[in-house]
Amino acid sequence: SQKIEQNSEALNIQEGKTATLTCNYTNYSPAYLQWYRQDPGRGPVFLLLIRENEKEKRKERLKVTFDTTLKQSLFHITASQPADSATYLCALVTNSGYALNFGKGTSLLVTP
Amino acid sequence: NAGVTQTPKFQVLKTGQSMTLQCAQDMNHNSMYWYRQDPGMGLRLIYYSASEGTTDKGEVPNGYNVSRLNKREFSLRLESAAPSQTSVYFCASSEARTGQTEAFFGQGTRLTVV
Repeated sequence: SQKIEQNSEALNIQEGKTATLTCNYTNYSPAYLQWYRQDPGRGPVFLLLIRENEKEKRKERLKVTFDTTLKQSLFHITASQPADSATYLCALVTNSGYALNFGKGTSLLVTP
Repeated sequence: NAGVTQTPKFQVLKTGQSMTLQCAQDMNHNSMYWYRQDPGMGLRLIYYSASEGTTDKGEVPNGYNVSRLNKREFSLRLESAAPSQTSVYFCASSEARTGQTEAFFGQGTRLTVV
């Protein structure tokens, strides 16, 4: 069966450090992978999209890598700030190609 | 800049009651989606509409029906609510297939079935 796995344990890091979140998947051949941020009581907000032929993508302090051989994406936040504290969701396209399947998310806490 | 608007924001139902969750987007998007989010389960797709006039089942469609009323609106109906349907419901939209373009989410409807 298809699975998208993200670390269930919360990630606690100090302000200024780089946070690295992992997304592993099985039984998918995704052409695209997306990352979202979700704050408590709010809907997910899109952060980055990476295509299968792209190894890395950056946006300001965010960086995403996509390794289709390892079936893994890494999401990095450099120079992390307390405002980066949230749950981060990884998402892949379903087989129908029309909707996203989400991982369960990883909670990030950045402490001053 | 409304984006995706869901109504209501909160709702309490008794078992067996029916209700319709409303969703509207003002971005002229073709595709719309309904997800539910439960603790420890993540976001799960209930139904989606790839374009106006079409709807398809997602991962957890049982107990729900949908209507794509027009390009802007996509409603989710619970015909006979059950406690297992207590959840947070999110509507989303995207310009095209969501893999290729970002999805925009509403603020959610928090539903409790007692």
